[in-house]
Amino acid sequence: AQTVTQSQPEMSVQEAETVTLSCTYDTSESDYYLFWYKQPPSRQMILVIRQEAYKQQNATENRFSVNFQKAAKSFSLKISDSQLGDAAMYFCASSGGATNKLIFGTGTLLAVQP
Amino acid sequence: EAGVTQFPSHSVIEKGQTVTLRCDPISGHDNLYWYRRVMGKEIKFLLHFVKESKQDESGMPNNRFLAERTGGTYSTLKVQPAELEDSGVYFCASSQEASSETQYFGPGTRLLVL
Repeated sequence: AQTVTQSQPEMSVQEAETVTLSCTYDTSESDYYLFWYKQPPSRQMILVIRQEAYKQQNATENRFSVNFQKAAKSFSLKISDSQLGDAAMYFCASSGGATNKLIFGTGTLLAVQP
Repeated sequence: EAGVTQFPSHSVIEKGQTVTLRCDPISGHDNLYWYRRVMGKEIKFLLHFVKESKQDESGMPNNRFLAERTGGTYSTLKVQPAELEDSGVYFCASSQEASSETQYFGPGTRLLVL
């Protein structure tokens, strides 16, 4: 069975600083994908970044980057130059198999202090 | 391009009543997923449609839940009769292809069963 663990229920960061959100996962799939989704207070969940497990290079999207350690089954999200709009619940998720259903962690609530 | 929409945004019902949630996926997306987040826990997969066919319904909690996708466009999720533990946020997501594709989420329906 696939599992995703986020060990940080809440995190806080000062505006313009850098923060790293942790995520570990376990899967029996040989071909899988990893995602970070963001859910701001307005509730629409949006994709932040995705990583194909077969790629060694860490994914990057502007101020968001991941540290993908496949052997350790770790997939952390780094947010650089944090902005007030980054405040949200962040979910780590994995997918794989025929249906590609997402397995989510419990989420990390990120607060950004001005 | 319109995103995934869900209706209603909120629903408050009494135990034993029936509620029907609706999801309209992104136009052209054959894959439609239902997820729910109960009482601040992790978001859990309910089921997956490919067009009008149920591909995977392993996450459906019991036979009080019935999902349909007639015509392969919008989907409904009916809960009958509703129980207190059904309270939570029900998310719908869609993707064009199942394998490797990012799922795009709707805003969710917040269900409260009293």
